[in-house]
Amino acid sequence: SQTIHQWPATLVQPVGSPLSLECTVEGTSNPNLYWYRQAAGRGLQLLFYSVGIGQISSEVPQNLSASRPQDRQFILSSKKLLLSDSGFYLCAWSIQGIEQYFGPGTRLTVT
Amino acid sequence: EDQVTQSPEALRLQEGESSSLNCSYTVSGLRGLFWYRQDPGKGPEFLFTLYSAGEEKEKERLKATLTKKESFLHITAPKPEDSATYLCAVQATGAGGTSYGKLTFGQGTILTVHP
Repeated sequence: SQTIHQWPATLVQPVGSPLSLECTVEGTSNPNLYWYRQAAGRGLQLLFYSVGIGQISSEVPQNLSASRPQDRQFILSSKKLLLSDSGFYLCAWSIQGIEQYFGPGTRLTVT
Repeated sequence: EDQVTQSPEALRLQEGESSSLNCSYTVSGLRGLFWYRQDPGKGPEFLFTLYSAGEEKEKERLKATLTKKESFLHITAPKPEDSATYLCAVQATGAGGTSYGKLTFGQGTILTVHP
């Protein structure tokens, strides 16, 4: 069966510091991968998606970037965090772009 | 632009009191409508996919239905463990049949079931 991991689970970072969040998927090959942000525990906003290694598409221009160095690894990064980057970050995977299955999430607080 | 509106924002029920959650959507062409359950501090858990008007899916006390403009999540005889935020999302058929699967989410309905 498929499993999706995210780490860290929680993170507190000062403004201006760098960020790296990691997501890995097990039990499947060539998945579509997604990064979402959820503010105030409600609606999800799609940030990035990837249909293959090295292929990244951005949905919202912002302070963040994403990379996919391996088939089942997706990384969300920032060079300098802003207060507005605080939120709950969720990684998801799908096959053929249909149902998406989410990871446990990372709670990021920028202070 | 695709839009999803969920109502009510919050719903409080007594155990055993059946009710429905609404998801209204606007999309150029619907590829699929999805329901998720989210517990506090956790990632959304997939519940159902509906593809065409008239389709219904059931899982335990939950039943999802779909029309051309909205979907309902019916909860029959709910229990306290059904308390969660329920999220609705749509996936549109993009120009050229995109397969990357962008989901547009509603804001969710917070369901609380009291014993």
